[in-house]
Amino acid sequence: EAGVTQFPSHSVIEKGQTVTLRCDPISGHDNLYWYRRVMGKEIKFLLHFVKESKQDESGMPNNRFLAERTGGTYSTLKVQPAELEDSGVYFCASSQDDYYTDTQYFGPGTRLTVL
Amino acid sequence: GNSVTQMEGPVTLSEEAFLTINCTYTATGYPSLFWYVQYPGEGLQLLLKATKADDKGSNKGFEATYRKETTSFHLEKGSVQVSDSAVYFCALSQGAQKLVFGQGTRLTINP
Repeated sequence: EAGVTQFPSHSVIEKGQTVTLRCDPISGHDNLYWYRRVMGKEIKFLLHFVKESKQDESGMPNNRFLAERTGGTYSTLKVQPAELEDSGVYFCASSQDDYYTDTQYFGPGTRLTVL
Repeated sequence: GNSVTQMEGPVTLSEEAFLTINCTYTATGYPSLFWYVQYPGEGLQLLLKATKADDKGSNKGFEATYRKETTSFHLEKGSVQVSDSAVYFCALSQGAQKLVFGQGTRLTINP
């Protein structure tokens, strides 16, 4: 069974440009999450999809970030325009059940560098 | 709000040494507690978890016990190996299932 995949693995862009990150969850997992780790600090929650619906987007930092999950399958996270403080590692995770003790399976992350 | 505090790293040990990485949490009610590990070049992997007070999670020789009275979930291993070198994250979830992470502890094991 394939795990959570993310693309690209690395992205280097200039301030003001747009970047789109993609996440493919484990097949059959209705729950999809985005997290990010900035500057070696703690990993912080961004948002949670249940199928194609946004269940919780309380962690999205501002309106420069837009997440979508078309058809309840893969998800994209767009940053437009990117700022220096957006640099970090963006992780995607998925889980099968909505019960709070279920395991979230993480992808390898996308390292974003904004110059 | 909920929060997790881990001992600051980096931690460097010799092979076969005893490992403890401290983790304490703040939460209302009864969260589930997790340890995730990130090996070099890889994504986060669940190492172990505990869902209620006094539960002990264990995997790959690592153990952690959910201590409600001290709000702690310390990670321990009796004899570490070079292959245990990684970054370890303590985390909790409650209700909405989003994970709240500690800052991570980088562990290096020297042969």
